Amino acid sequence: RKEVEQDPGPFNVPEGATVAFNCTYSNSASQSFFWYRQDCRKEPKLLMSVYSSGNEDGRFTAQLNRASQYISLLIRDSKLSDSATYLCVAPYLDSASKIIFGSGTRLSIRP
Amino acid sequence: NAGVMQNPRHLVRRRGQEARLRCSPMKGHSHVYWYRQLPEEGLKFMVYLQKENIIDESGMPKERFSAEFPKEGPSILRIQQVVRGDSAAYFCASSPTGSDSPLHFGNGTRLTVT
Repeated sequence: RKEVEQDPGPFNVPEGATVAFNCTYSNSASQSFFWYRQDCRKEPKLLMSVYSSGNEDGRFTAQLNRASQYISLLIRDSKLSDSATYLCVAPYLDSASKIIFGSGTRLSIRP
Repeated sequence: NAGVMQNPRHLVRRRGQEARLRCSPMKGHSHVYWYRQLPEEGLKFMVYLQKENIIDESGMPKERFSAEFPKEGPSILRIQQVVRGDSAAYFCASSPTGSDSPLHFGNGTRLTVT
């Protein structure tokens, strides 16, 4: 099983739609999770942190399910500018604590 | 507060030459991570460093690649005797406390091996 796994997509949805992605992680010791957004040929930028109690920021909601070892991202009322690749992050907590990114989910919003 | 600074932005090397990629973390950040990204692929972890220490280099190829983060100056990712397959975007990221805080990324260095 991959350390962090995402559906690569692409998700192609109309403007105004609600879209959700999941990301599974293998290391049950992971504590802190994040969603990043990456635009074509640019560096990843932090979108939001994922807390145990869930986290909402405007149109974006992130959830953590520890029992099933996945995190989710929900985007409501999607905009054209939401088109990007969304990366989830789960620190791999062993003796060294490297930080592993999922391969990303591509989202394309159409007018 | 300047962000993570990487240079050069673009680097062209012929096969067999050496490539040196530099990364200055954000002020106050002592944890540095290097990632490689091939076109249409995800970020692959390479190495995690703290000042003067390599914490985890499990993602680094065993040969030709090395990384350092000296007490003074930027972190350096060094690729010796580059081959065409080394062509990629190399991103550096830093954080103040390691895995429990989000990473801040530099703009990346795009290496092209001709």
